[in-house]
Amino acid sequence: KAGVTQTPRYLIKTRGQQVTLSCSPISGHRSVSWYQQTPGQGLQFLFEYFSETQRNKGNFPGRFSGRQFSNSRSEMNVSTLELGDSALYLCASSFAGAKETQYFGPGTRLLVL
Amino acid sequence: QQQVKQSPQSLIVQKGGISIINCAYENTAFDYFPWYQQFPGKGPALLIAIRPDVSEKKEGRFTISFNKSAKQFSLHIMDSQPGDSATYFCAASRYSGGGADGLTFGKGTHLIIQP
Repeated sequence: KAGVTQTPRYLIKTRGQQVTLSCSPISGHRSVSWYQQTPGQGLQFLFEYFSETQRNKGNFPGRFSGRQFSNSRSEMNVSTLELGDSALYLCASSFAGAKETQYFGPGTRLLVL
Repeated sequence: QQQVKQSPQSLIVQKGGISIINCAYENTAFDYFPWYQQFPGKGPALLIAIRPDVSEKKEGRFTISFNKSAKQFSLHIMDSQPGDSATYFCAASRYSGGGADGLTFGKGTHLIIQP
């Protein structure tokens, strides 16, 4: 069974731009969660989507948004990029959510200049 | 507010030794406690997880000890091997309404096993 895939793997943007990251979960998984990983703050929960609905949200500004499609693929969007948004963005999928094993993708490394 | 505190930040253990990483949590509503292992350039991978109705869970060389009254849990890696060198994260989540909150992670422990 294929694992979680994330595209692109690396991205360089400038301040003020917006970016869209994509995540394809493991086949059959309906829950997709997004996390931000930085050296200073560690791994932080952004939001979770389940059956195309945002079910939970972490403590991030409204510039961070996401959506999930009917095939469970998910996208995450960050608008008006700031230098502090430079991070590894990880997507995790599971059948039903954070109370089960979450399988992480390799992440998208975003650098904001 | 850091809800899950992890220590130590880094740890060096000799091959064959026992690696011990500790975590403490604040939110008594947490009811799922997984440990993740992350290698450079990879996403975290689940090692082992425990729920608060048991005090210990063992899978191979990995053991979680859980102390509900102290709000602490720890990971023990027995017979540590160089291939265990990685960053380890403890995490916690709670069930709320229609689904679980996202995982709250500790800051991670960089483990090095010396041959």
